[in-house]
Amino acid sequence: GQQLNQSPQSMFIQEGEDVSMNCTSSSIFNTWLWYKQDPGEGPVLLIALYKAGELTSNGRLTAQFGITRKDSFLNISASIPSDVGIYFCAGRKQGGSEKLVFGKGTKLTVNP
Amino acid sequence: NAGVTQTPKFRILKIGQSMTLQCTQDMNHNYMYWYRQDPGMGLKLIYYSVGAGITDKGEVPNGYNVSRSTTEDFPLRLELAAPSQTSVYFCASRPAGLDQANEQFFGPGTRLTVL
Repeated sequence: GQQLNQSPQSMFIQEGEDVSMNCTSSSIFNTWLWYKQDPGEGPVLLIALYKAGELTSNGRLTAQFGITRKDSFLNISASIPSDVGIYFCAGRKQGGSEKLVFGKGTKLTVNP
Repeated sequence: NAGVTQTPKFRILKIGQSMTLQCTQDMNHNYMYWYRQDPGMGLKLIYYSVGAGITDKGEVPNGYNVSRSTTEDFPLRLELAAPSQTSVYFCASRPAGLDQANEQFFGPGTRLTVL
């Protein structure tokens, strides 16, 4: 099945550092979504992107929809301990509006 | 609103047993989904529904069945449980329209183990 390549697989950072993660695909997507999942919980939407080149912020989080429509990036600035969790990218193809394809996730650990 | 609720939270099944995972949403959302999440993996779509009476297969439908008799409920049925179905199952829903406010809302998940 369709896969999104999400990297890095895991990150260990110090509180206050900035974080970057990305997702790439061999296919074109018309929507990119970024979710965060806490242990024992369902994913929660952080940012949704609908246009190539779009740059959207949600507090300390910023995500971009790649110009080629085959990638997306998520940045977290000035990380804090509650940023710990697994971050997933998800993409939606044009014409496949009900089928989200998920990356394998980036596990973030923030050391106080 | 309670959002998307799932029951049970945990379940252990023996091989060959059957069970139904329940999912209910009280947001009057048209679209509902079932995903499974295996360790270290992203979510994979099992089945989805665009409205009452309409269901369609996702990426990994084998071994599962669904029904959508009401807008609120979207149960997932396992007829003959197999160890390969050990996973965490998430239900999600969303209203019509594509913008950030209308993206998928996930339930808390059901952790299923088949022994």
